[in-house]
Amino acid sequence: GQQLNQSPQSMFIQEGEDVSMNCTSSSIFNTWLWYKQEPGEGPVLLIALYKAGELTSNGRLTAQFGITRKDSFLNISASIPSDVGIYFCAGQLGNQFYFGTGTSLTVIP
Amino acid sequence: EPEVTQTPSHQVTQMGQEVILRCVPISNHLYFYWYRQILGQKVEFLVSFYNNEISEKSEIFDDQFSVERPDGSNFTLKIRSTKLEDSAMYFCASSEGTKLYGYTFGSGTRLTVV
Repeated sequence: GQQLNQSPQSMFIQEGEDVSMNCTSSSIFNTWLWYKQEPGEGPVLLIALYKAGELTSNGRLTAQFGITRKDSFLNISASIPSDVGIYFCAGQLGNQFYFGTGTSLTVIP
Repeated sequence: EPEVTQTPSHQVTQMGQEVILRCVPISNHLYFYWYRQILGQKVEFLVSFYNNEISEKSEIFDDQFSVERPDGSNFTLKIRSTKLEDSAMYFCASSEGTKLYGYTFGSGTRLTVV
């Protein structure tokens, strides 16, 4: 299967700090997505990226689809306690999503 | 907002038993999916289903697994003879079409095989 590697694996930050995480793959994807998962819940879509180089924002979240279509980053500005969760990148090929390994975010008030 | 509903939220079963995980996709969606997530690991695709047949499946989806749309609203995943390594969260998802629009995940069923 496709491999998507996320870094860092986990982050512990103070409330108010900015966060940056990224995702890389050896494969080219048509679409990149960022999901957030909270304990006991399914993934919830945060941002979808459709074109190489695309930069998209959703509130305090900003994500970019790499020019090579093999990587993406997600930034969260001015973190708040409810940002806690696991953030997954996913690449779409056809109807199937391939998920990354996840970045666990802890925000310390 | 429309939701994908999964039941039960948690199921415990003995090794070797059959389990059926149930999902009610969003009503106007045509494509249905199952994913699983072993504790602490990434979400993995199992199978996609359209027009009453499997359209894609992963290598995880072996002969022990089957899916069915028994009526107009339910979409089920059956595991015929559960193994310890089947313990995971199983997520159902549905979408209107082949693109991302409306692609929605359910809250999952936690399956524990003992």
